[in-house]
Amino acid sequence: QQQVKQSPQSLIVQKGGISIINCAYENTAFDYFPWYQQFPGKGPALLIAIRPDVSEKKEGRFTISFNKSAKQFSLHIMDSQPGDSATYFCAASGPRSGGSNYKLTFGKGTLLTVNP
Amino acid sequence: DTGVSQNPRHKITKRGQNVTFRCDPISEHNRLYWYRQTLGQGPEFLTYFQNEAQLEKSRLLSDRFSAERPKGSFSTLEIQRTEQGDSAMYLCASSFRQKGETQYFGPGTRLLVL
Repeated sequence: QQQVKQSPQSLIVQKGGISIINCAYENTAFDYFPWYQQFPGKGPALLIAIRPDVSEKKEGRFTISFNKSAKQFSLHIMDSQPGDSATYFCAASGPRSGGSNYKLTFGKGTLLTVNP
Repeated sequence: DTGVSQNPRHKITKRGQNVTFRCDPISEHNRLYWYRQTLGQGPEFLTYFQNEAQLEKSRLLSDRFSAERPKGSFSTLEIQRTEQGDSAMYLCASSFRQKGETQYFGPGTRLLVL
């Protein structure tokens, strides 16, 4: 059972454009939703994360939009740059109550290519 | 560089051999996680330590896999009698309980079983 579904599998945008990646989750107990960026041969690096008590979080060019009722969240990359070309993973974990459920469940990833 | 280191970075072995990987987390981090990532997939959770206690193991962690974290510092992941299906990137991550859930990943160990 895939608990976090990510789309699209791949995405090509022009420099300066907006990149949008979507994720949907099934487990309503999830309460922490991070996005990771991964370059070839490297480990994933945290980009931005959100908790379900807010509907949007922005950090620089990166914004997470969260829709609790639809069990969906998305990553928007504004003014996309060639250096943003990487694989992006959404993830989820929780519930935090009970103290042990911090393991991350990842989507399958989106390969983003930003053309110059 | 997140401060989490993993060794070796690459390992090629023959089917049936045993391999051991090491992870050194960020020094004050009390939680340590192991994930496995195959080509074109997201990382999958294997196991998790809080200090030296192994608190959770995934069904993916067959009896050929064992992980330890003696003294709550570095951790080792051993795979016995390797199979070709074990070929993957093995990722380690660490986090600090008092600073929330942010997990910092190491560069991974890429295992190829021939």
